[in-house]
Amino acid sequence: DAGVIQSPRHEVTEMGQEVTLRCKPISGHNSLFWYRQTMMRGLELLIYFNNNVPIDDSGMPEDRFSAKMPNASFSTLKIQPSEPRDSAVYFCASSFDRGMGNSPLHFGNGTRLTVT
Amino acid sequence: QKEVEQNSGPLSVPEGAIASLNCTYSDRVSQSFFWYRQYSGKSPELIMSIYSNGDKEDGRFTAQLNKASQYVSLLIRDSQPSDSATYLCAAASNTGNQFYFGTGTSLTVIP
Repeated sequence: DAGVIQSPRHEVTEMGQEVTLRCKPISGHNSLFWYRQTMMRGLELLIYFNNNVPIDDSGMPEDRFSAKMPNASFSTLKIQPSEPRDSAVYFCASSFDRGMGNSPLHFGNGTRLTVT
Repeated sequence: QKEVEQNSGPLSVPEGAIASLNCTYSDRVSQSFFWYRQYSGKSPELIMSIYSNGDKEDGRFTAQLNKASQYVSLLIRDSQPSDSATYLCAAASNTGNQFYFGTGTSLTVIP
């Protein structure tokens, strides 16, 4: 089991540039989550998908953020245009949702984003 | 009340002591709880899951769930310096397809 795979591990970009973060969930998992973590705000849920369908995107900060899950094995989180306040670690996590709420989340290694 | 609330610490214990981490939860969560350990600069790592009232032991770790008082705790026996990390408490939502995290408790084990 390769675990949740995220790329890139680190991203440094200039304000105004487009940033795309990528995630491959664990094979067989049907739920995928994008989180953002900062020292000030802790772990924040941005959006989650169930069976490739976005279920709750209320955590997405603003229209500059968008996420897609075109198939069960791939998801992207895009920021356009990026701003310095977007600097954070972005985690992707997946789980197998049986509808009973008893399957834990498994996290990827994260992408550390720095916007200058 | 937030769905999951956790003592933010920081917590310091001497090596060999028992570290006790606590978390309370609201009625908006289900009965599935998880403890994650996060080392500095790393991702959260699942260390314990608990679904039933009572204790669940795994090596030096014991998770405790008290549904009547709506709290869940993690005990780390014989604490080691390598246990120094931030510990996150999490709970699944009543619908089962969302997770709520506490703010984390920073633990330092002093050699």
